[in-house]
Order: sequence, then structure tokens, then C-alpha cells
Amino acid sequence: QVQLVESGGGVVRPGRSLRLSCTASGFTFSDYGIHWVRRAPGKGLEWVAVISHDGGKGYYADSVKGRFTISRDNSKNTLFLQMDSLRVEDTAVYYCASPATPNGYLDYWGQGIRVTVSS
Amino acid sequence: DIVMTQTPLSLSVTPGQPASISCKSSQSLLHSDGKTYLYWFLQKPGQSPQLLIYELSSRFSGVPDRFSGSGSGTDFTLKISRVEAEDVGVYYCMQGMHLPLTFGGGTKVEMK
Repeated sequence: QVQLVESGGGVVRPGRSLRLSCTASGFTFSDYGIHWVRRAPGKGLEWVAVISHDGGKGYYADSVKGRFTISRDNSKNTLFLQMDSLRVEDTAVYYCASPATPNGYLDYWGQGIRVTVSS
Repeated sequence: DIVMTQTPLSLSVTPGQPASISCKSSQSLLHSDGKTYLYWFLQKPGQSPQLLIYELSSRFSGVPDRFSGSGSGTDFTLKISRVEAEDVGVYYCMQGMHLPLTFGGGTKVEMK
């Protein structure tokens, strides 16, 4: 049974940094690209970033490019999102999501972790 | 980026009655491999989003057969044949044709 568990959220001041983690189980983590998606209060879903199965490539939404870095440790079945230069508009619940097949996208989701950026 | 537009913004439905949600994309989602990369998700209150439909019309594991996806090119529809109380929440369409993945604005479904 696929399980994704996010951690590392919290309250942080604008301009500071935070690192989210997502620990996976129940599937071969190193076979799949994994995504981060967020939902800001009162808004819809927004795709944030994806990393290739081997960690060699990351792709980002324009809204976070240059500030966020996605990475992974396949030996620990863990995905990361390093968030620097945080802005108030980054306040959201962040989800990691994985495919069920190599050609899938967001088949399984974690429970989400809240990030609040506020002065 | 591909823009996804959903209508209506909200829907009030009577249990047992059908419901449908429309989604339009700014570019065709039909790939040269013959697949249409359109997805539907439901986010129930207090829960994470869950995948309902992938590649236009395939139901994900465990999704009841009252949910169906259809359409072609740039126009898509999610239909619920008989709405149940557990179907309340926000529905999103999403395109998987090109990065960045993009979602529609969402349709909030409530019970009458």
C-alpha cells in the first residue's frame, strides 16, 4: 500500500527558509518522478515542481523558480523541497504526489503539510 | 502554459441525480501516442486530493463507476451518474500534456 508522509512545515517569516520532506513506502521509490503540489488558502491546486526518478532533473513552476529546489535521496525513499526566500504568497498546504505507473502523474498523494509565511 | 478553464464554479446537486462538470484547455491534449492527457481529481473537505479519472476516461483504482470522463481535443466533461453524499468537495481537471502541469480553477459540489 502506497504511503506518502510529508513533514517539515511550520510558520516562518518572509525571506526565511524551510525544508519539506516526503517519505515514501509501498512502492519502488527510485522508479518514479515525484511531484510537489500546493493549495493556498481559498485557492485551487497549483503544481510546484517535479524531480526525475534518479534526481538528475528538476522542473519548477515559474512562481517558485530560483527560490525552491527539489531533490531526493533514493537510499532513504525521501523527497525534499528546499524553500528559500519565502513570500507570504507561498502560504499553502504542500502535498507530495507520485504516479502509480511510469507514465502516470499524481496518482497517490500525501496528507499534506501546512506552511505559513507571515511577519 | 496550457490554461484550463472549468465551469461551473459551484454546483448544488440533489442526491441520486446526475451532475456534470465542464473543462476546456487552451491547447489540444491529444498526444501523438493517441492518448489524451486529461485528468480529474476530487478534494473532499479536510482530505488530500484523490485521482478519479486519468487519460481522459480511465477510472483510477477503487473509483466507483458512477464517475465517467469524456471529451476530445480541448473540451472535456466529468459526469456523475447519480450523486451521493460522499461526492461533495472540489473537483479539478488537470492537463498532463506539458510541464508545467496546470489545473482548472475547481468546481465546488454541494448537496441540496
